[in-house]
Amino acid sequence: VQLVESGGGLVQPGKSLKLSCSASGFTFSSYGMHWIRQAPGKGLDWVAYISSSSGTVYADAVKGRFTISRDNAKNTLYLQLNSLKSEDTAIYYCARGDRWGQGVMVTVSS
Amino acid sequence: DVVMTQTPPSLSVAIGQSVSISCKSSQSLVASDKNTYLNWLLQSPGRSPKRLIYQVSKLDSGVPDRFSGSGSEKDFTLKISRVEAEDLGVYYCLQGTHLPFTFGSGTKLEIK
Repeated sequence: VQLVESGGGLVQPGKSLKLSCSASGFTFSSYGMHWIRQAPGKGLDWVAYISSSSGTVYADAVKGRFTISRDNAKNTLYLQLNSLKSEDTAIYYCARGDRWGQGVMVTVSS
Repeated sequence: DVVMTQTPPSLSVAIGQSVSISCKSSQSLVASDKNTYLNWLLQSPGRSPKRLIYQVSKLDSGVPDRFSGSGSEKDFTLKISRVEAEDLGVYYCLQGTHLPFTFGSGTKLEIK
């Protein structure tokens, strides 16, 4: 099982970014997947979940701004981040539950 | 949202000693399917988190049996018997019964 995030970087407040998580080593389409973030020096903060049937749930802090999606043909999970705020600065992890990726850094700053 | 209160915030322990970490939830974590979705994770320094225990007491593959989880309803405990140097890091509880999922604030385990 391997999960590899990409797409992070430095972005200005109010702008957008799209994160990807490439999955391998398991039947991706059969699993619900999460995005979880960790602000610098802080604890873990659950962000969003997508079920195997593509039902979605979001944390209140990101509802209406972030969109989780999946492409089962590409074995890839996505997180679209819109209207970014400084408080969204964090390492973003994708996770299957029992497996986590290495994370990707998103920095929101002018 | 379910609040997960995790204590203590930090621990310092000698190799070979045992430690316990507590996690209390603001609501019962028993789901409608009768399962209790309480997990324990370890984030070793500079690494991404790793799940150790799921559904209160089930060990993930490859996790040493020095780790054990117990509890029910709203009160849960992670016990590490015979602490080893590789056990250092931050431990988190995570509830997956109620949406949104929520984490405890973490317990930092240091080795004396």
